[in-house]
Amino acid sequence: GAGVSQSPRYKVAKRGQDVALRCDPISGHVSLFWYQQALGQGPEFLTYFQNEAQLDKSGLPSDRFFAERPEGSVSTLKIQRTQQEDSAVYLCASSLALAGGPGEQYFGPGTRLTVT
Amino acid sequence: AQSVTQLGSHVSVSEGALVLLRCNYSSSVPPYLFWYVQYPNQGLQLLLKYTSAATLVKGINGFEAEFKKSETSFHLTKPSAHMSDAAEYFCAVRSDGNKLVFGAGTILRVKS
Repeated sequence: GAGVSQSPRYKVAKRGQDVALRCDPISGHVSLFWYQQALGQGPEFLTYFQNEAQLDKSGLPSDRFFAERPEGSVSTLKIQRTQQEDSAVYLCASSLALAGGPGEQYFGPGTRLTVT
Repeated sequence: AQSVTQLGSHVSVSEGALVLLRCNYSSSVPPYLFWYVQYPNQGLQLLLKYTSAATLVKGINGFEAEFKKSETSFHLTKPSAHMSDAAEYFCAVRSDGNKLVFGAGTILRVKS
């Protein structure tokens, strides 16, 4: 079946521009996660949705970052007034989140954002 | 809070040699642990997961990992390295609210 897809795969933005990154999770997956992966580092958690509810946004680095999942499926991560430190790969993951299970997450290919 | 430490940012082995990638975790509760592999310009692919059902976990591509509570370790091994195993490997622990906390990663190089 289809995996997690993300678009665009690559995005170059000038400092100060707004960007929107899209994630299509695996069909039927209740949980959706966004992570940020800086060059040479492991992914770091940004935010988590269960269906359309944003249950945890503790990892969002500033109020310039905003995520939504209005119908409980596709999600968009928006970054306003981009800064150079926002340059990273943004990874989306989805999970079935069965009660009592490990909740393994399946990742998309990521969007590489470069802010110039 | 849960955390993960991966010892060795780079590991180099010869083709056919044993692969050993180290991971130690910190968790106040019985953990769910995962190993992921990342090839260049790709997302993370799940290799295997520990769910407390068995301490020795077998994954894809011939990899396995052993959970050792006394050592708080979950090291990844493969008996014989292939050139195609060259990639970056991440150990992760499930933390509060289902999010994953990742280690810094280990880049595996396989020499011919």
